[in-house]
Amino acid sequence: DADVTQTPRNRITKTGKRIMLECSQTKGHDRMYWYRQDPGLGLRLIYYSFDVKDINKGEISDGYSVSRQAQAKFSLSLESAIPNQTALYFCATSDLLGQGRNEQFFGPGTRLTVL
Amino acid sequence: RKEVEQDPGPFNVPEGATVAFNCTYSNSASQSFFWYRQDCRKEPKLLMSVYSSGNEDGRFTAQLNRASQYISLLIRDSKLSDSATYLCVGHMYGNKLVFGAGTILRVKS
Repeated sequence: DADVTQTPRNRITKTGKRIMLECSQTKGHDRMYWYRQDPGLGLRLIYYSFDVKDINKGEISDGYSVSRQAQAKFSLSLESAIPNQTALYFCATSDLLGQGRNEQFFGPGTRLTVL
Repeated sequence: RKEVEQDPGPFNVPEGATVAFNCTYSNSASQSFFWYRQDCRKEPKLLMSVYSSGNEDGRFTAQLNRASQYISLLIRDSKLSDSATYLCVGHMYGNKLVFGAGTILRVKS
């Protein structure tokens, strides 16, 4: 079984709809992240969480919210989806190994299309 | 200026060739770097970590030049299966990663 899973894998929705993307991990990591990937822009950080009580905004958090329900679960919500939120979304986890080592492990991604 | 910049390519090389990618970064306080590999429509996967001057793993060699603020990835004896997008990633601050946009490699027979 995959260590980091995301649901749904693909989603098509309409402008104004509320969407939730879910991420679960079995790696036992404290740190979880949400990224979006757009062609030519690389991955950009939306939100991150270093433990259940710690939620932080990334560089592009506007229009998104998150919930860390447990150590293993981190959800991303789009309260009112808009077309420019069409992208590939990745969840990732990491465990700080010391000396700045922060290797991240990614889920398979959710392809979201907002019409 | 982007914090991590890469030549997007594509680099088209024949099997067996040696190919090198460079990546530059703007934050001199960055602690460590990574090369991730991403296949089309798949998740990024860690290829190599670069914590000091460099790292070697089989056909892959990564080097870090802090004075010039660049990281390189060298692939020797390219295989068809090496075709992918290679992401340069910096561990800059606050325990977050900053990703380059990626370099596309196409290895052809």
